[in-house]
Amino acid sequence: AQSVSQHNHHVILSEAASLELGCNYSYGGTVNLFWYVQYPGQHLQLLLKYFSGDPLVKGIKGFEAEFIKSKFSFNLRKPSVQWSDTAEYFCAVRGSSASKIIFGSGTRLSIRP
Amino acid sequence: DAGITQSPRHKVTETGTPVTLRCHQTENHRYMYWYRQDPGHGLRLIHYSYGVKDTDKGEVSDGYSVSRSKTEDFLLTLESATSSQTSVYFCAISESGGEETQYFGPGTRLLVL
Repeated sequence: AQSVSQHNHHVILSEAASLELGCNYSYGGTVNLFWYVQYPGQHLQLLLKYFSGDPLVKGIKGFEAEFIKSKFSFNLRKPSVQWSDTAEYFCAVRGSSASKIIFGSGTRLSIRP
Repeated sequence: DAGITQSPRHKVTETGTPVTLRCHQTENHRYMYWYRQDPGHGLRLIHYSYGVKDTDKGEVSDGYSVSRSKTEDFLLTLESATSSQTSVYFCAISESGGEETQYFGPGTRLLVL
């Protein structure tokens, strides 16, 4: 069965710091990978996704993620965070033959102004 | 944003009462999903639908039923609400179950007393 682990439950950074949020998945076959963001009081929005091709994926708002197949990882990065990046971030995985997406437990990001 | 609405947006109910949450989409997408979001658990799939009258269970389906009589509407029913079902419920849609992104509705906050 597929699963997703986000080891950082709460990350606190200062503005302009660099960000890396970890995501590891467990699945034996080809996967689709996603990062979603949930700003306070809002619904989930797609940040970026990987289906195939270039393992370095660029998303909205300056975020990017790198798929490393050998490490079963899909870490999210941003070189310089802003206070407006305060949100909860969810990694998700779907086996390519499945219709269901499995979400990680989320990482809460707090940015000190 | 995808055309997804959820009703009600907030509800307080008592233990033992039935509750129905509605998800409505204007995108004519084939797949619809119900998730619940709880601290420390991320999003967990309750039920999903892959067409009118076609539904299947997710990972936390006990105590919930769903119905989809029209493409645009997906109803989630708590047959006899319990306090453990206090949560935020999100509906999502996708055009297909394959390499398609899921888009989320605004959520329904349910409190069972």
